[in-house]
Amino acid sequence: DAGITQSPRHKVTETGTPVTLRCHQTENHRYMYWYRQDPGHGLRLIHYSYGVKDTDKGEVSDGYSVSRSKTEDFLLTLESATSSQTSVYFCAISERTYEQYFGPGTRLTVT
Amino acid sequence: GESVGLHLPTLSVQEGDNSIINCAYSNSASDYFIWYKQESGKGPQFIIDIRSNMDKRQGQRVTVLLNKTVKHLSLQIAATQPGDSAVYFCAENMANQAGTALIFGKGTTLSVSS
Repeated sequence: DAGITQSPRHKVTETGTPVTLRCHQTENHRYMYWYRQDPGHGLRLIHYSYGVKDTDKGEVSDGYSVSRSKTEDFLLTLESATSSQTSVYFCAISERTYEQYFGPGTRLTVT
Repeated sequence: GESVGLHLPTLSVQEGDNSIINCAYSNSASDYFIWYKQESGKGPQFIIDIRSNMDKRQGQRVTVLLNKTVKHLSLQIAATQPGDSAVYFCAENMANQAGTALIFGKGTTLSVSS
């Protein structure tokens, strides 16, 4: 998985609780991305980062925030988890805007 | 909005056959296209890419064809093996868009039987 780790790999949480997912890379790539994957929708971009402290919204950013204080770490936070945020979350990295490499994913269940 | 889509959600082939997975795109400004393979429980894995100034590109057992006239992309897998069973996604990206992410199609599930 191109030097990308995600933690936790699985999480079950209750509606209304905050959740933070972590993506860690050892490739020193500039760009980092968070996607969610749901049946019937494929992969959809949540947020991305083009450098330390530089982030922007993607297609489905409502209810999510991100932070990148170091090149190697990109955090995704659900401030108040909802059942509609039950999904598999993938982090990706790239040195250019394309040719992205994906992590192993985090399966999140919100009950 | 514009999106990348696939013609068929599933494709079943016999081991040893050639597989063709198709993808239609609608964004004529897209400059770069990628095919990903995703095995169960794993993240998408980069297979092969092609720029819009090319019609064909070959890799190991895989060939990607791009027809810009009809906005069609295909992935050909030669001598398909059981290990090729996975979901295949095409994705597009517009050039020179700093931080622009890939737009993914919904995927085709390839099943290879022995």
